[in-house]
Amino acid sequence: NAGVTQTPKFQVLKTGQSMTLQCAQDMNHEYMSWYRQDPGMGLRLIHYSVGAGITDQGEVPNGYNVSRSTTEDFPLRLLSAAPSQTSVYFCASSSGGAGGDTQYFGPGTRLTVL
Amino acid sequence: SQQGEEDPQALSIQEGENATMNCSYKTSINNLQWYRQNSGRGLVHLILIRSNEREKHSGRLRVTLDTSKKSSSLLITASRAADTASYFCATSLSLNKFYFGSGTKLNVKP
Repeated sequence: NAGVTQTPKFQVLKTGQSMTLQCAQDMNHEYMSWYRQDPGMGLRLIHYSVGAGITDQGEVPNGYNVSRSTTEDFPLRLLSAAPSQTSVYFCASSSGGAGGDTQYFGPGTRLTVL
Repeated sequence: SQQGEEDPQALSIQEGENATMNCSYKTSINNLQWYRQNSGRGLVHLILIRSNEREKHSGRLRVTLDTSKKSSSLLITASRAADTASYFCATSLSLNKFYFGSGTKLNVKP
């Protein structure tokens, strides 16, 4: 199993550009999440999904869109990039279950917005 | 504001010593998890403790949870240089919605 994969690993954007960060998992997990991590800080939840076709907002959803058309994929779209979105983005998945479950993280995408 | 906060922010110890990190949170939780992050890498799950549990062990790791004080601690015994990393607690308020603290940066000197 590849686990959780993210592409690209690095990306530089100009202010106002849009792009999609890709996330895929091959563990048949129902739950997937996107986080951002700013320097010296913990992770903040952007959006999450509890299954195909179902998404919801986390702590910091503004400027980001998500969709979940399949169990495997959970792309994150930046609509109009801003320097404040410079961060490392992590995707995670879990199988869920009573009381929550272990999250498996991808390696991250380092995004710089100029 | 973030739900979980770790203390201390940084910890430097010698190899062989024990390392203790604390996490405090604000509201009732379903469970609390500890993760490790090596520099420039993703997070790796270490241990999960449910709200009805008080203590849990996994190898050299010992986690306690005090729901009355809304706090948890992670103890790493007989630390090794390879334990050098940042450690985060994550609290689950509802299914699959986790809140992370800002982490404790542990440096284990050989």
